[in-house]
Amino acid sequence: AQSVTQLDSQVPVFEEAPVELRCNYSSSVSVYLFWYVQYPNQGLQLLLKYLSGSTLVESINGFEAEFNKSQTSFHLRKPSVHISDTAEYFCAVRSTRGAAGNKLTFGGGTRVLVKP
Amino acid sequence: NAGVTQTPKFRILKIGQSMTLQCTQDMNHNYMYWYRQDPGMGLKLIYYSVGAGITDKGEVPNGYNVSRSTTEDFPLRLELAAPSQTSVYFCASSRGQGGEQYFGPGTRLTVT
Repeated sequence: AQSVTQLDSQVPVFEEAPVELRCNYSSSVSVYLFWYVQYPNQGLQLLLKYLSGSTLVESINGFEAEFNKSQTSFHLRKPSVHISDTAEYFCAVRSTRGAAGNKLTFGGGTRVLVKP
Repeated sequence: NAGVTQTPKFRILKIGQSMTLQCTQDMNHNYMYWYRQDPGMGLKLIYYSVGAGITDKGEVPNGYNVSRSTTEDFPLRLELAAPSQTSVYFCASSRGQGGEQYFGPGTRLTVT
């Protein structure tokens, strides 16, 4: 079984400032890690994912996340946010093994509000 | 491709009523999922399916039923609606075990 904890439920941030969204997970097996973004009144979209290889992964819109196995973390960062980054962000994990690998376990979400 | 579509977008039910939330995908994905989203709780998996004719329970299946007669459709049935089922429901699909999950726009359900 897995669990995901997002330590901040809301993060207000000024435009062009940096932001970090924290995600920690617990799992008895190896996992894949994901960040999803949900813009207001929309479904979830995949932002980035870690499957293997380099522990630093990047998205096309300037976000990056680093997988830290020893700290079981996958924090999301952006050096300079835009108003359009206002959204809710979800961290998720999935087992790498067998039938259980179908299912995502989500954190509670972090709501980012970018202020001008 | 339309991707994953869900109907209706909004619905209000009275306690004890029943309804079916529709989900269709046109990407020929084998795997489909139903989640519910409650404030501060993230998404919880209700049911999933790995192919036509095969379904299995997720974390929170009580009060729901599903069927998967075709690859494209994965309806979610609520029998005897309860206030605890007030939530936003998302359907998702993926190509296979390792595939990215694509989400529909959601159905906002209120039970009063």
